[in-house]
Amino acid sequence: AQKVTQAQTEISVVEKEDVTLDCVYETRDTTYYLFWYKQPPSGELVFLIRRNSFDEQNEISGRYSWNFQKSTSSFNFTITASQVVDSAVYFCALSRAGNMLTFGGGTRLMVKP
Amino acid sequence: EPEVTQTPSHQVTQMGQEVILRCVPISNHLYFYWYRQILGQKVEFLVSFYNNEISEKSEIFDDQFSVERPDGSNFTLKIRSTKLEDSAMYFCASSAGAARNEKLFFGSGTQLSVL
Repeated sequence: AQKVTQAQTEISVVEKEDVTLDCVYETRDTTYYLFWYKQPPSGELVFLIRRNSFDEQNEISGRYSWNFQKSTSSFNFTITASQVVDSAVYFCALSRAGNMLTFGGGTRLMVKP
Repeated sequence: EPEVTQTPSHQVTQMGQEVILRCVPISNHLYFYWYRQILGQKVEFLVSFYNNEISEKSEIFDDQFSVERPDGSNFTLKIRSTKLEDSAMYFCASSAGAARNEKLFFGSGTQLSVL
């Protein structure tokens, strides 16, 4: 069975602080994909990144960076110099065949000015 | 950027009534999905649809649920006889392909409240 755990249900930071959102996953598959989605207050789920299980290179996109560590089954997401607009719920997800995503419970990030 | 649109944004219904949630996927996408999120809980997969057939469905997707692509643009989720526990946000999504690394584009959701 597949499982995604986001232990942090809610995080509150002050603008310009760095923040890391944790994601731990379980799967028996040798090939899999990991995703992060953002859910702003408007409600839609916005794709942020995908990573395949064979690519453990960290990725940076502007203020966002992702640290994939297969040895610890973790795919953590860091926002550098957070901004109020980063306030949202962030979901980590694991894909199965047929594009079924298994989502974590989400982390609500609140960035205060 | 192209987007998935869902209507209505909110739907209130009485228990036992039928509801139809509507979605317009991205026009050149071939794979369609419904997910739901009960308040405070995880987003859960319901069903995937391709070539006018269900590809995969979860155990949540029982006989009360059905999906349809009635024309070239709409994709609908029907709940035949709603229950209180069907209250949730329902998300439609689409993708160009079905590979595991395929990016899913989600709509803004329909908040269904069953009274």
